Amino acid sequence: QSALTQPASVAGSPGQSITISCTGTSSDVGSYKFVSWYQQHPGKAPKLMIYEVSKRPSGVSNRFSGSKSGNTASLTISGLQAEDEADYYCCSYAGRSTLVVFGGGTKLTVL
Amino acid sequence: QVQLQESGPGLVKPSQTLSLTCTVSGGSITSGDYYWSWIRQPPGKGLEWIGYTYYTGNTFYNPSLMSRVAISVDTSKNHFSLKLSFVTAADTAVYFCARVPPKDSYAEFDYWGPGTLVTVSS
Repeated sequence: QSALTQPASVAGSPGQSITISCTGTSSDVGSYKFVSWYQQHPGKAPKLMIYEVSKRPSGVSNRFSGSKSGNTASLTISGLQAEDEADYYCCSYAGRSTLVVFGGGTKLTVL
Repeated sequence: QVQLQESGPGLVKPSQTLSLTCTVSGGSITSGDYYWSWIRQPPGKGLEWIGYTYYTGNTFYNPSLMSRVAISVDTSKNHFSLKLSFVTAADTAVYFCARVPPKDSYAEFDYWGPGTLVTVSS
């Protein structure tokens, strides 16, 4: 069982927007700005898409955005494209004892 | 641009020690205040952070694996290594190495290796 809770799957049609939630606790997501999101295509390494809740690395499309409210972080993908179909993982700093926790992952299907 | 590449045996027997190396190219492992991490992914499952090391040898581990894990660094070869002892079938996974940028948290991973599958089986 993963420390952060994500929906197992979400789906959307091309051009639509979807949001993936990532629910933690006051010991991780709720207490720190260090939430990141990763995109993983089958057989590939994860790719950093969002860091520090809402910042995008250079080269990542501005269709990807992140936010946080309380113990829940969210990744929103707007203008869905076929290439966005992948697994998405959230990750959070969890304090000096646990340090790093991941979500269980969400499979995004573009219909 | 930095690149990471995992290497090591793809098959390990139960109760033995899994050993992997991550070679860093395109930059020195000693520069930039980065930490260097191992993360694994069992087949069909999610990501699990194993631990990370600084080039000085300062290490931090996932509490759930701490008793069996050792991460070390060899600056002369610009690589870092993972040892996981007393492995079982539950340790079968794709093992990734990744770079951790210097932040207050050290909980984000900006460059990843392609991963290597390690199967634990007799």
